[in-house]
Amino acid sequence: EVQLVESGGGLVQPGGSLRLSCAASGFTFSSYDMHWVRQATGKGLEWVSAIGTAGDTYYPGSVKGRFTISRENAKNSLYLQMNSLRAGDTAVYYCARGTGFGSFDYWGQGTLVTVSS
Amino acid sequence: QSALTQPPSASGSPGQSVTISCTGTSSDVGGYNYVSWYQQHPGKAPKLMIYEVSKRPSGVPDRFSGSKSGNTASLTVSGLQAEDEADYYCSSYAGSNNFLVVFGGGTKLTVL
Repeated sequence: EVQLVESGGGLVQPGGSLRLSCAASGFTFSSYDMHWVRQATGKGLEWVSAIGTAGDTYYPGSVKGRFTISRENAKNSLYLQMNSLRAGDTAVYYCARGTGFGSFDYWGQGTLVTVSS
Repeated sequence: QSALTQPPSASGSPGQSVTISCTGTSSDVGGYNYVSWYQQHPGKAPKLMIYEVSKRPSGVPDRFSGSKSGNTASLTVSGLQAEDEADYYCSSYAGSNNFLVVFGGGTKLTVL
């Protein structure tokens, strides 16, 4: 059974940093592109970052230069380093498995990040 | 403001069919056959219902179908059931020189 379990969320002050983790199991982690998608309370979904099987990374303009996605295949783990956090980054962050061109077939339960003073 | 436009709400009675639209541009929906649809119940993670415009993942009922015409994609739910009441989000691949995924703002489907 495919499982994705996020951790690392919490309360952080504006300008601060946080590192999210996602533990994967039930599939060959190294064979899939992986993603982070976030959702502010009561709002829609926003794709945040992607990492390919070769370690290539991609970001939308809203987080580029502030967020860094990485993976450690030996540990079946995905990470998201978030720096220079803003109030607008407050959201539930989901780890998701990619199927190729932008579809996500498995999602974790999410971890809440709150940016507030 | 979301990149893809969805109606905020839709509704239908049990057994009826309802269609939710998702309008983008030639740079996303119209440019690629990589439109996906997700169902999200309150407090839960999204669930993939349709990918590559009209394909259903294993386990998704065939009551759910997808299509696309030009810059607009659609999700049709036939034979509405109470458990279909949820938020539905469309997404599209939008990268040309770079990988990019854009989502719609979501549609709240109410089963009357």
